[in-house]
Amino acid sequence: EIVLTQSPATLSLSPGERATLSCRASQSGFLAWYQQKPGQAPRLLIYDASNRATGIPARFSGSGSGTDFTLTISSLEPEDFAVYYCQHRTNWPPTWTFGQGTKVEIK
Amino acid sequence: QVQLVQSGSELKKPGASVKVSCKASGYTFTTYAMNWVRQAPGQGLEWMGWINTNTGNPTYAQGFTGRFVFSLDTSVSTAYLQISSLKAEDTAVYYCARHSNSWWGDYWGQGTLVTVSS
Repeated sequence: EIVLTQSPATLSLSPGERATLSCRASQSGFLAWYQQKPGQAPRLLIYDASNRATGIPARFSGSGSGTDFTLTISSLEPEDFAVYYCQHRTNWPPTWTFGQGTKVEIK
Repeated sequence: QVQLVQSGSELKKPGASVKVSCKASGYTFTTYAMNWVRQAPGQGLEWMGWINTNTGNPTYAQGFTGRFVFSLDTSVSTAYLQISSLKAEDTAVYYCARHSNSWWGDYWGQGTLVTVSS
């Protein structure tokens, strides 16, 4: 069983600040990041660790490989305050595992 | 444009069954597999499995075998999630999510709240 550990659980920041979110996997593999706002479905931000999904602003970037990954939001906009999940995917057959989430809240 | 539209909220009694639908539009339904994801109230995302929309072959995640069934009606581009013998702990929002070309969830339905209560 693959386990994803996200840190921190909560990140309190002000608009304009830089956010750095971490995700550590118990096994190496492929990784994505999603954003979820209250009452909404998750939205794919980053896939394959560092590729921005269609329509995602350049302030979102992903990095890492193996078992350690990072999502960076270079300068927080008001609409970026949300919960962020990392997701691991195995190669074949594809199976998904989600981290427990990091809440980015307004300080 | 790609859209996944799910059926409305359901209130069920323990022991009953529920069938959630996910109607796809804007693309060829059988080209991309469909996932199902559960989110209990105030909790994180939990992957339930996926169904090959070309063959109808389902893959269930651990903990989602037995009472959970994925199915399709390709004539109306719709995927279904059926849950039988409902329990209070099945209370959650259920999402369908399309597999992208690289097997991530690129499009999601709006979610269906299933509430199990006597």
